[in-house]
Amino acid sequence: AQSVSQHNHHVILSEAASLELGCNYSYGGTVNLFWYVQYPGQHLQLLLKYFSGDPLVKGIKGFEAEFIKSKFSFNLRKPSVQWSDTAEYFCAVRPGNTPLVFGKGTRLSVIA
Amino acid sequence: GAVVSQHPSWVICKSGTSVKIECRSLDFQATTMFWYRQFPKQSLMLMATSNEGSKATYEQGVEKDKFLINHASLTLSTLTVTSAHPEDSSFYICSVQRGAGETQYFGPGTRLLVL
Repeated sequence: AQSVSQHNHHVILSEAASLELGCNYSYGGTVNLFWYVQYPGQHLQLLLKYFSGDPLVKGIKGFEAEFIKSKFSFNLRKPSVQWSDTAEYFCAVRPGNTPLVFGKGTRLSVIA
Repeated sequence: GAVVSQHPSWVICKSGTSVKIECRSLDFQATTMFWYRQFPKQSLMLMATSNEGSKATYEQGVEKDKFLINHASLTLSTLTVTSAHPEDSSFYICSVQRGAGETQYFGPGTRLLVL
């Protein structure tokens, strides 16, 4: 079945560690790709998106993601995490002009 | 970016009552609005998609008579949970989109608790 997979349920990192959160999807054809973040008690916010062009996308707060078409992946990265990055991270895919389909989310806990 | 508001932010009601949740797009006219449901520690599940002036399209397994959606204008959509039961307790989130193919922006959510 078509889906969005986030492999890590919960990631725990120390401050200044590097982060990579995996996201894979199983849709063929043209897709738009997104990463959203949900800080504790807050609503979903858009971190970054990929529609076309350069597959390395820069987002807010030092996050970036790389679209690798051959691997159907859109992994999120940050070279050095901060305590304030503690949140739930959702990968989302939009196949064609359909609504977003979300992965199950990855909880990131950053410890000082 | 877009600003999306939802009202109320949380509601507690007795079983059998109906609850209306409003979603407003404050920054632009949204041709399409979406309603999602999020269970604790789980992802967002799309309930329905609505375009202004037409009937909502519900996802498989979502009862359209129980979750009434009215997309009254390009800036307002309402979700009414009719005859709510404890299993309807959840976090309901709306999302707006200016036009086809554009980014979806999300509201702060409404937490519903049915006793």
